Order: sequence, then C-alpha cells, then structure tokens
Amino acid sequence: ETGVTQSPTHLIKTRGQQVTLRCSSQSGHNTVSWYQQALGQGPQFIFQYYREEENGRGNFPPRFSGLQFPNYSSELNVNALELDDSALYLCASSRSNTGGGETQYFGPGTRLLVL
Amino acid sequence: QQQVKQSPQSLIVQKGGISIINCAYENTAFDYFPWYQQFPGKGPALLIAIRPDVSEKKEGRFTISFNKSAKQFSLHIMDSQPGDSATYFCAASDSNSGYALNFGKGTSLLVTP
Repeated sequence: ETGVTQSPTHLIKTRGQQVTLRCSSQSGHNTVSWYQQALGQGPQFIFQYYREEENGRGNFPPRFSGLQFPNYSSELNVNALELDDSALYLCASSRSNTGGGETQYFGPGTRLLVL
Repeated sequence: QQQVKQSPQSLIVQKGGISIINCAYENTAFDYFPWYQQFPGKGPALLIAIRPDVSEKKEGRFTISFNKSAKQFSLHIMDSQPGDSATYFCAASDSNSGYALNFGKGTSLLVTP
C-alpha cells in the first residue's frame, strides 16, 4: 500500500453530468498528478498540482479541472461528461522542492462509468 | 502520439523462466525511466526505476537494462513466479515537465505453473 487514497472507488454517471473525484496524498508528499486509464491502455497524464496551482497539463480539454488544498489533497472535476470519459482515474503523489517529483506513488483509482 | 513504445503486448512464461519486456522512446529529454506493475482492479505499483547515466539496475529478481544510444530500455524478471502475473508498464519522464509520466501501452504477463 502506498498511502495514497482515492474516493469514491466506483461511480456511475450519465452523459452531460459533472463529477468530482478526490485524492489524499501520501504523508510528506506535496505534489499530486492525475491520470486517466482507459480499459486495456496505459495511464494518460491529465494534469499536476503543486503548491495549490496547476503545474503542467496533458492533452485534455478544459472541462477537466482540478484543485489542490493546503493539506496537499486534491480534486479532479470533469464537466459535461462524455461516454469516452469512462475510465479508471488514478491519482499519484510525489515530493519535490520545485514541483513534480520523479518518484510517483499511485492510489487505487476511481472507476468511472458514463452511461 | 505515443512517446513510449512497449512490446510485446502479451507474454506467457513458464515458472522459473525469464520474462523480458522492451520499451523504446524518442524524446532525448527524458531522464527518468520507471517500471510499474498493475494487478486487476488496482493502481500501478512502482517496481524499479533507472536514470540514463546507468546502464543496468538490479533489485531482487527485477533488472532494468538501459541503452541510451539506442533509446531503449527493458525489464527482465528472473525466476518468474505465478504471482508475477500482472500487467507491466514502462514509463518515461523528465524534469522539464514536472516528471509527468508517459506510459507505454502495457504488457500482460502470464506465468504458468
């Protein structure tokens, strides 16, 4: 176990709805990265948060947004859900003095199904 | 486009054998190369990682071989066990992008008794 927790574990939404996923980072870690893993694929980087600000973003539209809180926990928000958003959403935490941190530890993920 | 290419897609190895998974990359800025193991319904777990200034790193039964000139790296699992049956992902990252991980598509490993 990595100490990274995510909630909820599973979620079912309908197209057009909005969803919020949550992540608590490992103790001592100050950076949180979010990834989307479609079935049978490798995780794809969504964005990273450091010092409560977005510190890098992958090729995802603006309807994917996030937050980081003073305790380093984080939220991923997805608006206007589409069927293709169905995936496992993974949160990873790391420690860095400059943002990032090479060694990332993943949580168990949130399985989102959009109908 | 896929920045890290991984092969094979699937692999079947007998217990006690050696499992070998290969990855290739193009971006010469990458300076950190981890391997993750993922079981069904779980998040990826960090197995072992290497930096390009080292050609080989060994931790227990797991070894990474790194060829900087060829832009290739591989994972060797010695004395493979049925409990090693999982999906393995190689990844690459660099400090310029906050070490955002670029993953390969994964290799499904089955170790038969």
